[in-house]
Amino acid sequence: DAGVIQSPRHEVTEMGQEVTLRCKPISGHNSLFWYRQTMMRGLELLIYFNNNVPIDDSGMPEDRFSAKMPNASFSTLKIQPSEPRDSAVYFCASSFDRGASNEQFFGPGTRLTVL
Amino acid sequence: AQSVTQLGSHVSVSEGALVLLRCNYSSSVPPYLFWYVQYPNQGLQLLLKYTSAATLVKGINGFEAEFKKSETSFHLTKPSAHMSDAAEYFCAVSAKGYDKVIFGPGTSLSVIP
Repeated sequence: DAGVIQSPRHEVTEMGQEVTLRCKPISGHNSLFWYRQTMMRGLELLIYFNNNVPIDDSGMPEDRFSAKMPNASFSTLKIQPSEPRDSAVYFCASSFDRGASNEQFFGPGTRLTVL
Repeated sequence: AQSVTQLGSHVSVSEGALVLLRCNYSSSVPPYLFWYVQYPNQGLQLLLKYTSAATLVKGINGFEAEFKKSETSFHLTKPSAHMSDAAEYFCAVSAKGYDKVIFGPGTSLSVIP
């Protein structure tokens, strides 16, 4: 299995631009999580989906952030417009079902720099 | 509500020495506990997890952790550190009926040759 796939691995953009991060979960997993990691705030859960449906988006910082999961094999996290404070590493993770004891498998992350 | 604290944001050990990374949790219900490791420029990967079976849990790469309810702790240990163990380690907590996993702030482990 290829694991969780994220693209791009690195993104550099200018303030005000739209940014779209992409994630392909492990086949057969039906829960998907988006995290943001910064030195100041550590690892934060932004949103998670179960069976393609958003279950909890309370971690999404503001309306500039949106996430979709149109099918079981693809999800996007969009930031529009981007700001320098959005600079972080964004991780996508997937797990088999939504059980709390289930291991989450993380992708390699997208390092976003907003100038 | 659940939370995790990790004592020591940075730990240094000599190669071959004992590794001890501390984790304390708070949970109003019986917890599930995890240790994840993050190597540079990579995502997190599971080292081990406790889900109410044996209190001493063995994981990959020679790591183990012991669940101590009385101390609300789940410390991670390894008898002999290797250079390849240098990474960031995250303790995390969840519980039956909760979908979210709460991650601690992480401890950076350095191994000195």
